[in-house]
Amino acid sequence: AQSVTQPDIHITVSEGASLELRCNYSYGATPYLFWYVQSPGQGLQLLLKYFSGDTLVQGIKGFEAEFKRSQSSFNLRKPSVHWSDAAEYFCAVALTDSWGKLQFGAGTQVVVTP
Amino acid sequence: DAGVTQSPTHLIKTRGQQVTLRCSPKSGHDTVSWYQQALGQGPQFIFQYYEEEERQRGNFPDRFSGHQFPNYSSELNVNALLLGDSALYLCASSLSRWGNTEAFFGQGTRLTVV
Repeated sequence: AQSVTQPDIHITVSEGASLELRCNYSYGATPYLFWYVQSPGQGLQLLLKYFSGDTLVQGIKGFEAEFKRSQSSFNLRKPSVHWSDAAEYFCAVALTDSWGKLQFGAGTQVVVTP
Repeated sequence: DAGVTQSPTHLIKTRGQQVTLRCSPKSGHDTVSWYQQALGQGPQFIFQYYEEEERQRGNFPDRFSGHQFPNYSSELNVNALLLGDSALYLCASSLSRWGNTEAFFGQGTRLTVV
């Protein structure tokens, strides 16, 4: 079955430390890939997306993600976390013929400590 | 540009009642999708509207219905509300074609069924 998996439900990281959030997908073909961030009580903001081409994608707020076809992964990274990065992060995929229907992972809650 | 706007922001309904949620897409966008996000979970796709017709649908019962107006705004209707319908309902707008497009999300409507 098609699925999106975020193995880490909750991650705690110190301010200034690096952050990596994992995302794996299970689809027959390479889908379009996205990372969204959601602050408490808010909607979703797109951090970055991968459609094709360079497998290292740069996004907003200093985030980047790397697509690895062999591992069916699209992990999100940030070299140095700020307190304002505390939020919930969702990986999402869309099939190329799905007209933008997104399937989301369960999310990873990021807590930033001083 | 006001982005995607949803109304109301919060709503409390009683089991068995009916509810209508509203969404105005981002300027220039012609496609509206609706998602349900239960507490602690990722958003789940309900359906998508384009050219005033439902283009695709997720695994939601017929109690969930929608409409798109000529100005591209949209409504989500839920009949015979159940306690399990309590969730954040997110509207996303996009362009009908892929490419370097993305889905923009509203802030959501928090529905509580008591």
